[in-house]
Amino acid sequence: EAQVTQNPRYLITVTGKKLTVTCSQNMNHEYMSWYRQDPGLGLRQIYYSMNVEVTDKGDVPEGYKVSRKEKRNFPLILESPSPNQTSLYFCASSLYTSGSWNTQYFGPGTRLTVL
Amino acid sequence: DQQVKQNSPSLSVQEGRISILNCDYTNSMFDYFLWYKKYPAEGPTFLISISSIKDKNEDGRFTVFLNKSAKHLSLHIVPSQPGDSAVYFCAAKTGGTGGFKTIFGAGTRLFVKA
Repeated sequence: EAQVTQNPRYLITVTGKKLTVTCSQNMNHEYMSWYRQDPGLGLRQIYYSMNVEVTDKGDVPEGYKVSRKEKRNFPLILESPSPNQTSLYFCASSLYTSGSWNTQYFGPGTRLTVL
Repeated sequence: DQQVKQNSPSLSVQEGRISILNCDYTNSMFDYFLWYKKYPAEGPTFLISISSIKDKNEDGRFTVFLNKSAKHLSLHIVPSQPGDSAVYFCAAKTGGTGGFKTIFGAGTRLFVKA
């Protein structure tokens, strides 16, 4: 079954304590991305990756890091979380071929609370 | 500055009728547009997409129309069903030298009444 998995699904942490949210896909997709969803703002892209070792900033990258050492994994790292990073986070992956975007699959989401 | 706008926070439609969800954008560099549906406690699900070189794409009950001169796209659902009740997001992608960013609208909550 084609899927994107995220862990953990829920996380409560404190300001400044480094955390990592993992994301993995089993569809051999080149393109992966992280988004955050906040009320009234829709989804905002944090970082994306076109392939292994190729990452780029989305619209709201401040305070986040990513890495893409393997094609299937795209972890999101918060080195020093702050309360304004409390949000619902989604990882997604898709296939991009010759200027055409195929279906983008989203993970189930990670609800993060930073106290 | 919102580059993709969904100006209607919510829409209510009777079962069997047409639902029309609208989306406006400002960036002429967008070359691909997508619609997603989202239920509570789940990730968004891809519905339908359209390239900027087309003006219409149809998939079953879902049709997306693109008006490039007006920088406007719309999603038509015909006929609407109660299971279509969800939040719908419009998204736009840049490509090539502009990077491969994705910009989402704030979403429109659709209620389909039985």
